[in-house]
Amino acid sequence: GENVEQHPSTLSVQEGDSAVIKCTYSDSASNYFPWYKQELGKRPQLIIDIRSNVGEKKDQRIAVTLNKTAKHFSLHITETQPEDSAVYFCAASYAGANNLFFGTGTRLTVIP
Amino acid sequence: ETGVTQSPTHLIKTRGQQVTLRCSSQSGHNTVSWYQQALGQGPQFIFQYYREEENGRGNFPPRFSGLQFPNYSSELNVNALELDDSALYLCASSSRPSGASGTGELFFGEGSRLTVL
Repeated sequence: GENVEQHPSTLSVQEGDSAVIKCTYSDSASNYFPWYKQELGKRPQLIIDIRSNVGEKKDQRIAVTLNKTAKHFSLHITETQPEDSAVYFCAASYAGANNLFFGTGTRLTVIP
Repeated sequence: ETGVTQSPTHLIKTRGQQVTLRCSSQSGHNTVSWYQQALGQGPQFIFQYYREEENGRGNFPPRFSGLQFPNYSSELNVNALELDDSALYLCASSSRPSGASGTGELFFGEGSRLTVL
C-alpha cells in the first residue's frame, strides 16, 4: 500500500516568514495530494489539493508543488500569521482508492 | 447545509469493554469513512461505508466493526477494548466512495476522543 512520509514534525517560524513542509510518497499510482489543517481540538480541514496533471497550485498565501518523478510534494505558506499555527497533514490517494493515506503531521508554530 | 457531527465527543472506558461511536454525514453525502488518529500521528483508515455496506477496510482487526443506516449516518463499534485503542476517532463523509482521484475531499467531524484505562 501507499506510504506517506512527512517532514519536519515540528516547525517554528517568525510571523511574516515563509514555512515549507515536505512529503514523499511511495506508490507511483498516486495522483491526488491534499493538505489538511487541524487546529487544536478541531477537525481536519482541506486547505489545498493538487492532482498529478499539474506541477504547482496556488491559493493566496498557500501553494503546493508536486514532483512526480521524485515522488514528493510540498506545502508553502508565505507571509505566515499567528492563525496559521496548527498541525498540517499531507495525504495521497489514487484512482479507485477509497481512502486517503496520511502523513504523520507537522506542528507549525508562528511566533508573533 | 449541515456538516459532519459525531457523538460522544469524549468518553472513558476500561479494557475489555465495548464502545459505540456515532456519526451523521454531511448533507448530500452518501459515503462515510472512519479514521483512527493516535496522539501525534496522522489519521489511519479503519473502513468506509457506502450504500449500507462496508466498502474497503484498513489494517484493523475484526473487533472494529461498523454500520451505515439508510439516512447515511454511521456507527463505529469496537469490542474488547485495548489500551492502544485510545485515540481520536474521526468520521469523514464524502460525495462518492472513489473515483479518478481516489475518495476525493473528505469532510471530517470533530471526532470522538476515546480513552481506555
